[in-house]
Amino acid sequence: DGGITQSPKYLFRKEGQNVTLSCEQNLNHDAMYWYRQDPGQGLRLIYYSQIVNDFQKGDIAEGYSVSREKKESFPLTVTSAQKNPTAFYHCASSMGASLYGYTFGSGTRLTVV
Amino acid sequence: EDQVTQSPEALRLQEGESSSLNCSYTVSGLRGLFWYRQDPGKGPEFLFTLYSAGEEKEKERLKATLTKKESFLHITAPKPEDSATYLCAVQAYNFNKFYFGSGTKLNVKP
Repeated sequence: DGGITQSPKYLFRKEGQNVTLSCEQNLNHDAMYWYRQDPGQGLRLIYYSQIVNDFQKGDIAEGYSVSREKKESFPLTVTSAQKNPTAFYHCASSMGASLYGYTFGSGTRLTVV
Repeated sequence: EDQVTQSPEALRLQEGESSSLNCSYTVSGLRGLFWYRQDPGKGPEFLFTLYSAGEEKEKERLKATLTKKESFLHITAPKPEDSATYLCAVQAYNFNKFYFGSGTKLNVKP
């Protein structure tokens, strides 16, 4: 079955460490996105990529980095520069101009310990 | 500034008690309005897309409608399994990205 796989489901990070969240899709979608969700709040865009080897900053890109070396993969690195990284992270993908909405993965819960 | 506001923040209903969720938006050129369902600890699940004022979409007990300023998600005779957070998102023509509302948390009691 086609879909988006995010791993791990739960991730713990010590302060000062970088950590990478994985996102893989087998839907042959061109565009991929990373969103952050804090409790009781809506999703906020971190980065998005419309094509391989190209990506754009979203509304809250500071302290995060991404790469898009393959169409299927869009990993997100939470760097030590991100001062409040504890949140739920959602990866999504869409066909081209996303007229059909996004397909989301099951999410990764990141906790700083 | 483009934004999306959902109300109420939380809604408690008895099983069978119909109601509506609201999504108000301001965007410079609406390309599409989307409704998603999100269960705790999971990613959002796509429900509907609406493109123009007057459009309606239905799926089981859910019906989404759209005007030039807002969208409603009507829930008819809800069941406990309809309990979830319902998210609204809008897409503008000038950017290929979505603006999400903060959601309405629906709790349907048996």
